[in-house]
Amino acid sequence: SAVISQKPSRDICQRGTSLTIQCQVDSQVTMMFWYRQQPGQSLTLIATANQGSEATYESGFVIDKFPISRPNLTFSTLTVSNMSPEDSSIYLCSVEPRQGVETQYFGPGTRLLVL
Amino acid sequence: AQSVAQPEDQVNVAEGNPLTVKCTYSVSGNPYLFWYVQYPNRGLQFLLKYITGDNLVKGSYGFEAEFNKSQTSFHLKKPSALVSDSALYFCAVKEYGNKLVFGAGTILRVKS
Repeated sequence: SAVISQKPSRDICQRGTSLTIQCQVDSQVTMMFWYRQQPGQSLTLIATANQGSEATYESGFVIDKFPISRPNLTFSTLTVSNMSPEDSSIYLCSVEPRQGVETQYFGPGTRLLVL
Repeated sequence: AQSVAQPEDQVNVAEGNPLTVKCTYSVSGNPYLFWYVQYPNRGLQFLLKYITGDNLVKGSYGFEAEFNKSQTSFHLKKPSALVSDSALYFCAVKEYGNKLVFGAGTILRVKS
């Protein structure tokens, strides 16, 4: 399985500001994803991070609010823009190492609190 | 559309007793089924998966799950629970080429 790290592990931010979360994988992977886990809730897919092209967003999530970059096969960033307290969540990066493997592995998550 | 249900918000079991965490799913094609565990202040850890083959799947930490196509279920089981198994458990389903969809999660509490 892939080893995934996320930075920062947690942060407290003021409303109206933006935070960029980094996801680093120890090997090249085909697919990278970003999820949100609101307090006491399950995981919701935000978007699929596509290498070299624009991310594919799920219904209810837009690029202006959650811009995503994926410059190569081992790294991606998610920015939470113009934050409000409703953005307080755990944000998780996940990867599918190879097509056909079908198992997603998750990073440790970034705990975000917006005041 | 694919979906997964975990009917129990919480499962309580005594240490040493067998445990079952229930999961049912709905897909139009062949399901790929997964169980993940989340410990407090940690990310999700992969436990096991069913893709094809034997209906009884064995995974990490002594957990196993049984795929039942007729009942569209994929219950997680362990013969003897440990206090350290206490965590939040997620069942997830996908169809080939589609996104992974998670259940609401079940809190497992194992008491000594």
